[in-house]
Amino acid sequence: KAGVTQTPRYLIKTRGQQVTLSCSPISGHRSVSWYQQTPGQGLQFLFEYFSETQRNKGNFPGRFSGRQFSNSRSEMNVSTLELGDSALYLCASSLEGGAHNSPLHFGNGTRLTVT
Amino acid sequence: DAKTTQPPSMDCAEGRAANLPCNHSTISGNEYVYWYRQIHSQGPQYIIHGLKNNETNEMASLIITEDRKSSTLILPHATLRDTAVYYCIVRSRIKAAGNKLTFGGGTRVLVKP
Repeated sequence: KAGVTQTPRYLIKTRGQQVTLSCSPISGHRSVSWYQQTPGQGLQFLFEYFSETQRNKGNFPGRFSGRQFSNSRSEMNVSTLELGDSALYLCASSLEGGAHNSPLHFGNGTRLTVT
Repeated sequence: DAKTTQPPSMDCAEGRAANLPCNHSTISGNEYVYWYRQIHSQGPQYIIHGLKNNETNEMASLIITEDRKSSTLILPHATLRDTAVYYCIVRSRIKAAGNKLTFGGGTRVLVKP
């Protein structure tokens, strides 16, 4: 079974631009979550989508948004990029959320560098 | 979600068992203990989880104290490839809680030859 796939693997953008990151969950998984990882703040939850609806949201500004498609694939968008948005963005999928038999499985992330 | 406390780092000899402690004194009855590890430049990898009974799989064993306030992840025969940051997380079993996980700093484990 293929794991969580994130594209692109690396991305370099300029301040003020916007970026879209893509995530394909494990087949059959309906929940997709996004996390930001930086050296200073560690792993922080951005948002979660389940059946195309945002179910949970972390404490990030409105410049960070996402969506989920009917095939469970998800995209996240960051508008008006700032230097501080440079980070590893991780996508994770699970069958459902909060279920005891539904571990979260992570992709290897998209490394975003904002210059 | 309850918070967890882990030692920032530890060394382990190759071939020996590695015992990684985690404190979660405010864990509720609706929360599982999950362990992940992250090897440099990769996403976190799921290792094991448990509620109150000890658990074992092909990667590791999880020992949870009777009061559930702490747990220990055991890597039975550490290899150099086990060098990683290990995260202990408590996760709600309530479906509505979704997948909003709170990661702490984890334990940086260095396996030495």
